[in-house]
Amino acid sequence: AQTVTQSQPEMSVQEAETVTLSCTYDTSESDYYLFWYKQPPSRQMILVIRQEAYKQQNATENRFSVNFQKAAKSFSLKISDSQLGDAAMYFCAYRRWETSGSRLTFGEGTQLTVNP
Amino acid sequence: EAGVTQSPTHLIKTRGQQATLRCSPISGHTSVYWYQQALGLGLQFLLWYDEGEERNRGNFPPRFSGRQFPNYSSELNVNALELEDSALYLCASSMGASGLQPQHFGDGTRLSIL
Repeated sequence: AQTVTQSQPEMSVQEAETVTLSCTYDTSESDYYLFWYKQPPSRQMILVIRQEAYKQQNATENRFSVNFQKAAKSFSLKISDSQLGDAAMYFCAYRRWETSGSRLTFGEGTQLTVNP
Repeated sequence: EAGVTQSPTHLIKTRGQQATLRCSPISGHTSVYWYQQALGLGLQFLLWYDEGEERNRGNFPPRFSGRQFPNYSSELNVNALELEDSALYLCASSMGASGLQPQHFGDGTRLSIL
């Protein structure tokens, strides 16, 4: 079974600074997808960024980028120029490539605080 | 385009009762997923429906059940409610079952068991 681990329960960053959230996962599969979701106090889970395991290039979405290290099974999220609206719980998630196991497996989450 | 909608927003029940939670996916999405987010337990996969069929089930007892209707909306039923069923229940939908298709989440239903 796949597992996802986020070792940082809480992180804080100053507004306009950069912060990196860590995520490691365990899988025996070679093809899969990785995601970062954001859950603000409004409760809705919002997709921040995704990475296909077969792609070597790290995904980027505006101020959000990932550092995907397949051999190390590491998938960290970097938030540049942090904004107050980035404050939320961040979840790393894994999804199998095949349709038969299309569930998301989530990490425990990292609570990000952005200080003005 | 409307997102995933869930109802009710909050549901209060007592032990032993039955609860029904509803989810309407994004238009054009055929897959619906249910997750439980209980305090201290993180997000746990409950059920996955695609094209009206149950495709996969998480490690939950049979009193958690559901169905998907022809219009792809879905219901989650929880029978014989227990205190530990108190949680936020999130529904997500995707356009098809492929792992490439991202799951889009609703705002959730907060189920409180007294």
